[in-house]
Amino acid sequence: SYELTQPPSVSVSPGQTARITCSADALPKQFAYWYQQRPGQAPVLVIYKDSERPSGIPERFSGSSSGTTVTLTISGVQAEDEADYYCQSADSSGTYVVFGGGTKLTVL
Amino acid sequence: QLQLQESGPGLVKPSETLSLTCTVSRGSISSSSYYWGWIRQPPGKGLEWIGSIYYSGSTYYNPSLKSRVTISVDTSKNQFSLNLSSVTAADTAVYYCARQDNWFDPWGQGTLVTVSS
Repeated sequence: SYELTQPPSVSVSPGQTARITCSADALPKQFAYWYQQRPGQAPVLVIYKDSERPSGIPERFSGSSSGTTVTLTISGVQAEDEADYYCQSADSSGTYVVFGGGTKLTVL
Repeated sequence: QLQLQESGPGLVKPSETLSLTCTVSRGSISSSSYYWGWIRQPPGKGLEWIGSIYYSGSTYYNPSLKSRVTISVDTSKNQFSLNLSSVTAADTAVYYCARQDNWFDPWGQGTLVTVSS
């Protein structure tokens, strides 16, 4: 089955830059989307179409794509950014939805 | 702003069918631009897409669950529903509904369904 691979955890100090990657073979052909999930809450979309930011999402959240890897970058990390982050895309045929395994961002 | 709310039993017995409904408010489920999806999250684990439906009734499902899943829509009630048959403890999860435009946004608050006798 098709998989999106994320690191299980990333740790940064406040004010630093966090980068969370998501890798899969079909990512050069399929857009990626990113969600933030705080404990006990539903996921919230923070990036769509690789690098677009929805209204209401702080500018410190950005996305990029290079080959088979997409990256969520959080600049000037704040304590409130501590959460789980999931990437989402489609399989190579563009038919089925797939989520990455999630990355726990810890703000030290 | 569009809102989604899941509803249904919080406890289901093994081998029975899990049934949930998602009610859409402050917007129409009959919008031609969107699908409507179900996603679940077992306790302490990641997100898993279950399946999605268009207002016309067109559906597509996660291949790993396809044999047990049925998603339907009731445009008169602005609702869509999930049925998952022959459940086991592995189906215990928080179930979310969401509007889908390739990506999912917004999401409902989620509802915990426990499979236990």
